[in-house]
Amino acid sequence: DAKTTQPPSMDCAEGRAANLPCNHSTISGNEYVYWYRQIHSQGPQYIIHGLKNNETNEMASLIITEDRKSSTLILPHATLRDTAVYYCIVRVSSNTGKLIFGQGTTLQVKP
Amino acid sequence: DAGVIQSPRHEVTEMGQEVTLRCKPISGHDYLFWYRQTMMRGLELLIYFNNNVPIDDSGMPEDRFSAKMPNASFSTLKIQPSEPRDSAVYFCASSFRGGGTEAFFGQGTRLTVV
Repeated sequence: DAKTTQPPSMDCAEGRAANLPCNHSTISGNEYVYWYRQIHSQGPQYIIHGLKNNETNEMASLIITEDRKSSTLILPHATLRDTAVYYCIVRVSSNTGKLIFGQGTTLQVKP
Repeated sequence: DAGVIQSPRHEVTEMGQEVTLRCKPISGHDYLFWYRQTMMRGLELLIYFNNNVPIDDSGMPEDRFSAKMPNASFSTLKIQPSEPRDSAVYFCASSFRGGGTEAFFGQGTRLTVV
């Protein structure tokens, strides 16, 4: 599975959009981009995933560049409860299903 | 469904003792994963099962660790004998059909070996 690079930490003002970047320059054509987050002391939580088209759900939007070498997770109106570690994971959509976590980005939403 | 259920939530044991962590996956899920999280190493995949069969145990740190899945609704992770460096939060996760789908994580078991 391709390696990802994320900034170790970011701040965001409450109510503003949080844009979390992820670089995955070695991504292959059959690899998906997944985002999970982990709120303190809880298990990781799935947010969204995509292959090449932009995706949106009730939690967030995922923007994948045309060359697929990077992506951005957007939380449109961040709240204090969005403070968490956000993980960008790239993996093949195969039957393995395993997720390999990096160090992620610690997002601090401030009032 | 109640989600992935892990027990106990907290475990404190003395070095050398056997520790058994338990996991009940979401009904109908055919993949089960065991992860370990520490400050130093982050989230590490230890082992995963498909249809109750271990598929990849390359992340299991050493022979002191073993995992079983006797049926589709139950899995255990055993450490014997336990050591202080095994102190960590252990997460269990399950998913359906693995690829292209999300994994659901339990709340974890915080293990402290003294």
